[in-house]
Amino acid sequence: EVQLLESGGGVVRPGGSLRLSCVGSGFTFDDYGMSWVRQAPGKGLEWVSSLNWFGGSTGYADSVKGRFTISRDNAKNSLYLQMNSLRPDDTALYYCARGDIAVAPTDYWGQGILVTVSS
Amino acid sequence: DIVMTQSPDSLTVSLGERATINCKSSQSIYSSNNKNYLGWYQQKPGQPPKLLIYWASTRESGVPDRFSGSGSGTDFTLTISSLQAEDVAVYYCQQYYSTPPAFGQGTKLEIK
Repeated sequence: EVQLLESGGGVVRPGGSLRLSCVGSGFTFDDYGMSWVRQAPGKGLEWVSSLNWFGGSTGYADSVKGRFTISRDNAKNSLYLQMNSLRPDDTALYYCARGDIAVAPTDYWGQGILVTVSS
Repeated sequence: DIVMTQSPDSLTVSLGERATINCKSSQSIYSSNNKNYLGWYQQKPGQPPKLLIYWASTRESGVPDRFSGSGSGTDFTLTISSLQAEDVAVYYCQQYYSTPPAFGQGTKLEIK
């Protein structure tokens, strides 16, 4: 069974940093690109970032470019999102998804991890 | 950037009736490989999105056949042929033709 488990969320002050992690299981992790998608409270879905199977090609939404960094460690079946200079409008549920949503549909999603940016 | 616009924003349909959700892209998402780069997702309250349809009309494995997708170029439709109670959800279309990938604003489907 494919599973994606996010961790690392929490409450952080504006300007602070957080690192999200996502561990994949039940599939060959390095066969797939991976993505982060977020959803602000009561709002729709917003693509954040994606990378290909080995991490050599990455993409970012304009809203996070220069502040967020996506990476992966295939030996640990893990995907990461380093989030710096956080702003209140980064407050959202962050989903890890299997597949590079910029080039293909994503067929499995984690349950999401909440990030709250507030003073 | 491609903008995806869904209509209506909300929809109320009786059990057993047909539900139709439309999605329009600001430019064509049809490629020379004869594919439309369009997916449909269903999100129930408190759950992550679930992929229903990809390439505009291919049903994901395990998705009931009452769900179907159609359209090409810039205009697409998700149809639920006979609404069931478990279909109450928000539905999103999403283009993966070009970066940034974009979602529609969502359509909330409720039972009448």
